[in-house]
Amino acid sequence: NAGVTQTPKFQVLKTGQSMTLQCAQDMNHEYMSWYRQDPGMGLRLIHYSVGAGITDQGEVPNGYNVSRSTTEDFPLRLLSAAPSQTSVYFCASSYRDSPSRSPLHFGNGTRLTVT
Amino acid sequence: LAKTTQPISMDSYEGQEVNITCSHNNIATNDYITWYQQFPSQGPRFIIQGYKTKVTNEVASLFIPADRKSSTLSLPRVSLSDTAVYYCLAGGSQGNLIFGKGTKLSVKP
Repeated sequence: NAGVTQTPKFQVLKTGQSMTLQCAQDMNHEYMSWYRQDPGMGLRLIHYSVGAGITDQGEVPNGYNVSRSTTEDFPLRLLSAAPSQTSVYFCASSYRDSPSRSPLHFGNGTRLTVT
Repeated sequence: LAKTTQPISMDSYEGQEVNITCSHNNIATNDYITWYQQFPSQGPRFIIQGYKTKVTNEVASLFIPADRKSSTLSLPRVSLSDTAVYYCLAGGSQGNLIFGKGTKLSVKP
C-alpha cells in the first residue's frame, strides 16, 4: 500500500500565483486533513474533512481552499500565493469513527517556497 | 479544544530513560491522548495512544493519571535514533485535531 501520497515534493511559486497541492490515500480513510509546519510553530491545522462532500476550517484556513469530491483525494488550493505561505505542508488521514481515537497517517510533505 | 502544553526541548544520553510530560487541562470525556514522533524531512508517525491508566507497546509507555489532565510518554533506554520531535495530541473528537509545538528530544552519545 502507498499510504498517503503528496505531490509535488517541492514547489517554488511567485507571489500571486495559484496552485494545488495534491493528497491521495489508498486506505479508505474517511477523515483527511492538511497541516502546515513552520519553524518553532509545530503543526497547525488548515482544513479538514470527515468524509466526501464535507469540509471544515482548522486553525489557519485563510488563503487556502479545499474540496472533497472523493474519499481518496483531498487537494489544497492556494488561490493567490503570498510569502507568508512559505512552509512545509503535510496531509494526513485516518478512520472517521473517531478522529481522536484513530491514529493519523501522514504523507511526507510538500515544501513550498513563495518568492 | 484540548490545548496541549509540552516542554520545548529535552536533552538525554544514550541508555537513559526519557519522560516527556504533556498538559491537557481541557480534555473532553471522549477524547484520546496520542503521541507522535517526527524526524527531519518526514511526516509525523504514530507512537502510542491511550485513554486512561497505562499503555505499553514495543517502543514506549504512556502514563495517564485518573484526572486525565496530563500524560507522560516514557521512552526506555533511548538511543541516538530517538532524536526527534515528539508531539502530544489530545482531543479533536469532532475532527479539529490541534497539535502543540512539540518537544525536541536530543540524545547524546
